[in-house]
Amino acid sequence: NAGVTQTPKFRVLKTGQSMTLLCAQDMNHEYMYWYRQDPGMGLRLIHYSVGEGTTAKGEVPDGYNVSRLKKQNFLLGLESAAPSQTSVYFCASTGGGQGAMNEQFFGPGTRLTVL
Amino acid sequence: QKEVEQDPGPLSVPEGAIVSLNCTYSNSAFQYFMWYRQYSRKGPELLMYTYSSGNKEDGRFTAQVDKSSKYISLFIRDSQPSDSATYLCAFIQGAQKLVFGQGTRLTINP
Repeated sequence: NAGVTQTPKFRVLKTGQSMTLLCAQDMNHEYMYWYRQDPGMGLRLIHYSVGEGTTAKGEVPDGYNVSRLKKQNFLLGLESAAPSQTSVYFCASTGGGQGAMNEQFFGPGTRLTVL
Repeated sequence: QKEVEQDPGPLSVPEGAIVSLNCTYSNSAFQYFMWYRQYSRKGPELLMYTYSSGNKEDGRFTAQVDKSSKYISLFIRDSQPSDSATYLCAFIQGAQKLVFGQGTRLTINP
């Protein structure tokens, strides 16, 4: 099993450009998440999904959109990139289930720089 | 006030030392208390988790939770250079959402 994979690994954008980050998991997980990690800020949740066709906002959703058309994929879009979106983006997935602890598995990250 | 406070360090100790990493939190609804380890340029990996107050041991690692004080700790005994990483405390909210501390960067010097 590949676990959680992310595409691309690195990207440099100019202000105003758009792009899509792809996350894929092969563990048949219901729940998927997008986080961003900035120095001194830990990981902050951008958007998440509790199943195919569903999405919800996290802590820092502004400037991002997401889609979960297939259970195994979770896409993060930047419509008009800004320098404040320079960050490392992590995707994660878990089996879900209320009232229980399910480990979140993280991808290797995408390093995005917006000039 | 932030929901989770974690000293970002960096923390540098000699090999073999006992390391103590700490987080405080303000949300009484947090039920699961976790520590993730993140090596440089990698994604976080779950190291330990616990549900109740008290201690939980796993080899050289001990997770401690004090719910009354809203304080959690991770102790590393006989620290090794391979333990050099960023350690993040994390807590579960609804829909299995994680709330992370800022992370503490730890270096173990041979």
